[in-house]
Amino acid sequence: AQSVTQLGSHVSVSEGALVLLRCNYSSSVPPYLFWYVQYPNQGLQLLLKYTSAATLVKGINGFEAEFKKSETSFHLTKPSAHMSDAAEYFCAVRSEGAGSYQLTFGKGTKLSVIP
Amino acid sequence: DVKVTQSSRYLVKRTGEKVFLECVQDMDHENMFWYRQDPGLGLRLIYFSYDVKMKEKGDIPEGYSVSREKKERFSLILESASTNQTSMYLCASSSIGTGPHEQYFGPGTRLTVT
Repeated sequence: AQSVTQLGSHVSVSEGALVLLRCNYSSSVPPYLFWYVQYPNQGLQLLLKYTSAATLVKGINGFEAEFKKSETSFHLTKPSAHMSDAAEYFCAVRSEGAGSYQLTFGKGTKLSVIP
Repeated sequence: DVKVTQSSRYLVKRTGEKVFLECVQDMDHENMFWYRQDPGLGLRLIYFSYDVKMKEKGDIPEGYSVSREKKERFSLILESASTNQTSMYLCASSSIGTGPHEQYFGPGTRLTVT
């Protein structure tokens, strides 16, 4: 079975400060990992994905995430927060060979950006 | 550009009504999914389909059914709507084969049952 834990349901940062959103996963086989962003009253949009090609993954809007197998983590970062980054962020995992295309999602982290 | 569309952004229905939520994707994806999203609970999978006329239950199928008569269209049906089905409903699709196969989401339907 696979699972995703996102630490902190709500994170606040000042504009221009570092954004760090934490994600830990469990998977019995090498995983595919994803970060999605959801703006108010919208669907989920893919930010970035880990596919084992590189441990540091760059996504849209200046976000990046680093896969650390030893820590089973895939934390999302952005060097300098912008007001437009205020949204909810979801981490998700899919295990190759599990016979399923389902994603397992974390419960989400709502990011607030303080001017 | 990939696109998943949902028939309504906002919907208000009365208790006991039959409700249809429609989802259409234009990416020729084999897989389609229906989720509901509630504050603090994240996304929960209701049903998914990996082919026309095929369906599998997700984590919370009770009170819901689905229909997939064409590859591009996946419908979620609430046979008799209840107030505890007030929620945001999200449709998604993905391809198959080797690789990550991320899911592409529609804009969501916010359903209120009164």
